[in-house]
Amino acid sequence: GAVVSQHPSWVICKSGTSVKIECRSLDFQATTMFWYRQFPKQSLMLMATSNEGSKATYEQGVEKDKFLINHASLTLSTLTVTSAHPEDSSFYICSARDRRISYEQYFGPGTRLTVT
Amino acid sequence: QKEVEQDPGPLSVPEGAIVSLNCTYSNSAFQYFMWYRQYSRKGPELLMYTYSSGNKEDGRFTAQVDKSSKYISLFIRDSQPSDSATYLCAMSTSLSGGYNKLIFGAGTRLAVHP
Repeated sequence: GAVVSQHPSWVICKSGTSVKIECRSLDFQATTMFWYRQFPKQSLMLMATSNEGSKATYEQGVEKDKFLINHASLTLSTLTVTSAHPEDSSFYICSARDRRISYEQYFGPGTRLTVT
Repeated sequence: QKEVEQDPGPLSVPEGAIVSLNCTYSNSAFQYFMWYRQYSRKGPELLMYTYSSGNKEDGRFTAQVDKSSKYISLFIRDSQPSDSATYLCAMSTSLSGGYNKLIFGAGTRLAVHP
């Protein structure tokens, strides 16, 4: 089956620093990748939609200058949290859409970010 | 009002019970309905996918969509301890092009005890 990986699986950083999270589709090409954040016991909230080779589309209320998304290839998208603050601590999950199966999004295992 | 409402539970049932999980929604434009299962500290995995109204069965799982009532359900028969997870419903108005945006419910935590 389709596999999406994320790296790192967890990260602790100091306030004010930047953190990069990678999302890779391992055995399929993903024209579209999605980035979500999930707070404890809450649902997934879409942050942005990333299409290969073009700028990401951010959801209302998500600061694009703070959450930088790059989708440079059909198998890799990155999310960089710039100038991280404790309130950015969350579970970040990416998903990738297989270009052959339009409805299915395959989710990565998530990255837990803790900002101290 | 949220677009998708889902009771967060927790729901605790004995092994072998039939589990009923539900979501209601307000956007009549939703046409695609999914159920995801998420284990603790893991990403969601797709369980069931349904287009428009009707029922769909896959093994011990049955998904139902009632668009007239804006209500969807997931039934789990002969529940097992391994079914213990959070179940998220998700919906979309369109799945083509760049509009594959899923709106998730809050998720229902299910615990199946032996």
